[in-house]
Amino acid sequence: QQPVQSPQAVILREGEDAVINCSSSKALYSVHWYRQKHGEAPVFLMILLKGGEQMRHEKISASFNEKKQQSSLYLTASQLSYSGTYFCGTAQGGSEKLVFGKGTKLTVNP
Amino acid sequence: DTAVSQTPKYLVTQMGNDKSIKCEQNLGHDTMYWYKQDSKKFLKIMFSYNNKELIINETVPNRFSPKSPDKAHLNLHINSLELGDSAVYFCASSQGIRRTSGNTIYFGEGSWLTVV
Repeated sequence: QQPVQSPQAVILREGEDAVINCSSSKALYSVHWYRQKHGEAPVFLMILLKGGEQMRHEKISASFNEKKQQSSLYLTASQLSYSGTYFCGTAQGGSEKLVFGKGTKLTVNP
Repeated sequence: DTAVSQTPKYLVTQMGNDKSIKCEQNLGHDTMYWYKQDSKKFLKIMFSYNNKELIINETVPNRFSPKSPDKAHLNLHINSLELGDSAVYFCASSQGIRRTSGNTIYFGEGSWLTVV
């Protein structure tokens, strides 16, 4: 079951904040966040495990609400380098398969 | 020094041809994957091998056949290529298969396949 990401696209000015959400209709065991720049491979940002702590990567942090079966990625004081497509990948209900959402395209303008 | 490397990076071929994409990882990981990313950027798993054993085989046409000669290599062979096979194919690897233990997936740079 593919997780649902929102919004589909975000346009920011440098220094602004954004939140990207990822939700699932099934129980989640872990949520993985990746960023992909145009023409490049997805790059791992962080992972959130069931019962784990909120994670942080530079000025990007993420939370995982197990009861609501959703995760949120928080980008604060965005930089030009944050531009790209952000994917959440979820491991659901005992499956070892990581299923990715459709992605959120983030554009940070000067 | 590239952790997950795949070749070729670009491949343009005619319908009906057979082609292969090779992948190697030097991270010492036990698990390797093939993902397909279509024109809408949807990243979908195709296959996964753990210690040379096939563990995930999604609904993929039989024309696609993965082969893992050892745990550091996972190749993808595609027979009778069709226009719809045009996509970016990413090889990836992780230390293990347990997503609940937080095994991170590392992606290769991708192979851009165009079928004409």
